[in-house]
Amino acid sequence: QVQMEQSGAEVERPGSSVKVSCKASGGSLTSYSFNWVRQAPGQGLEWLGRIIPVFDTRQYAQKFQDRVTITADKFTDTVYLELSSLTSDDTAVYFCARHNTVTTILGFDVWGRGTQVTVSS
Amino acid sequence: EIVLTQSPGTLSLSPGERATLSCRASQSVSDNYVAWFQQTLGRAPRLLIYRASIRATGVPDRFSGSGSGTDFTLTIYSLEPEDFAVYYCQQYGSIPYTFGQGTKLEIK
Repeated sequence: QVQMEQSGAEVERPGSSVKVSCKASGGSLTSYSFNWVRQAPGQGLEWLGRIIPVFDTRQYAQKFQDRVTITADKFTDTVYLELSSLTSDDTAVYFCARHNTVTTILGFDVWGRGTQVTVSS
Repeated sequence: EIVLTQSPGTLSLSPGERATLSCRASQSVSDNYVAWFQQTLGRAPRLLIYRASIRATGVPDRFSGSGSGTDFTLTIYSLEPEDFAVYYCQQYGSIPYTFGQGTKLEIK
């Protein structure tokens, strides 16, 4: 059973950066893209971007284009989200979700449990 | 960017009743790549339906998705107590992927 294991909660100062990880346990990064979705308190779901590790390609939502970086380590089956220039508006739970790139019809079928990021001075 | 608008914002029903949730896209969704997710407090979203009408593994058959183009519907036949949650639609046919704002299904 593939699981997406995310790193623990983070508290960051405004203006700093945060890096969150997501490890695919029980599987590899091959044949999948990995997406990052966030949810601010009491709000809906917002897609930040994705990476396709086998091709090392990535795409970002325009809103985050200037300050988000998604990377992958194929040796440890781990993907990372780094978000810079943090403000209080970035306080949210950050989820990773996989998407099969071969059978694209399946959608976001496996999600991590989420990582709480709190931005506070 | 495709904007998804869900309605109603909140739906108040009793167990045993039927729920009908709507998701309208600002433009046609490629290949009808629309998914529905269920989310309960503090949990990750759970995939219910993909490609508009296909139930994900393990999803009870009281959940049914339909629609094409710009109009999509999630129907829950005979609500169970565990179905009261927030539901999101998502389009994953074109980048940027987008979500609707959610429909909260609450007990009447």
